[in-house]
Amino acid sequence: QQQVKQSPQSLIVQKGGISIINCAYENTAFDYFPWYQQFPGKGPALLIAIRPDVSEKKEGRFTISFNKSAKQFSLHIMDSQPGDSATYFCAASTSGSRLTFGEGTQLTVNP
Amino acid sequence: DTGVSQDPRHKITKRGQNVTFRCDPISEHNRLYWYRQTLGQGPEFLTYFQNEAQLEKSRLLSDRFSAERPKGSFSTLEIQRTEQGDSAMYLCALSLSVSGANVLTFGAGSRLTVL
Repeated sequence: QQQVKQSPQSLIVQKGGISIINCAYENTAFDYFPWYQQFPGKGPALLIAIRPDVSEKKEGRFTISFNKSAKQFSLHIMDSQPGDSATYFCAASTSGSRLTFGEGTQLTVNP
Repeated sequence: DTGVSQDPRHKITKRGQNVTFRCDPISEHNRLYWYRQTLGQGPEFLTYFQNEAQLEKSRLLSDRFSAERPKGSFSTLEIQRTEQGDSAMYLCALSLSVSGANVLTFGAGSRLTVL
């Protein structure tokens, strides 16, 4: 009930391409869905987040798409750059509670 | 600088030894979290503090693990009688409530290797 499942485990994209990472959840009480970005040797850093009352949120090249009925949400990175190469984690929580993270996706953007 | 300082950054120890990690928030935050991250996995919740009170502990936190936040500022995580399975990155995070959402800011972590 608390799990968040993330796919793919790894992703290789050419520079300028679109990177898409998907997450699915079971707990319908979740009401906050952030994405974190982690570089080697660093802690995860908040990238973008969405609430279930909207279906899409865009910040620069990063977009979250949210499908409440399917209990799925995804991260789209437009015009992917080599500097985007990192591990991405989706997460979910209920109001004010601890975050539950997905397993992570290692993104490599080739120049 | 994330506003969360963790020390040490790396610790190598032999099985059976005790280790202690420290988390120092640079700014005031009511909630402080500890997560554990193993290679290739997402962070897993261990415990959290609201000021100095430890309000929730994961089942992952065996009796060999103890965490404290004595004055509601810095926190320590101690692992007694370490086992090889304890090898992981231990992450401290501060929580900021933004419109009811729990926004976490993580430190760079303390990497533990148990030989």
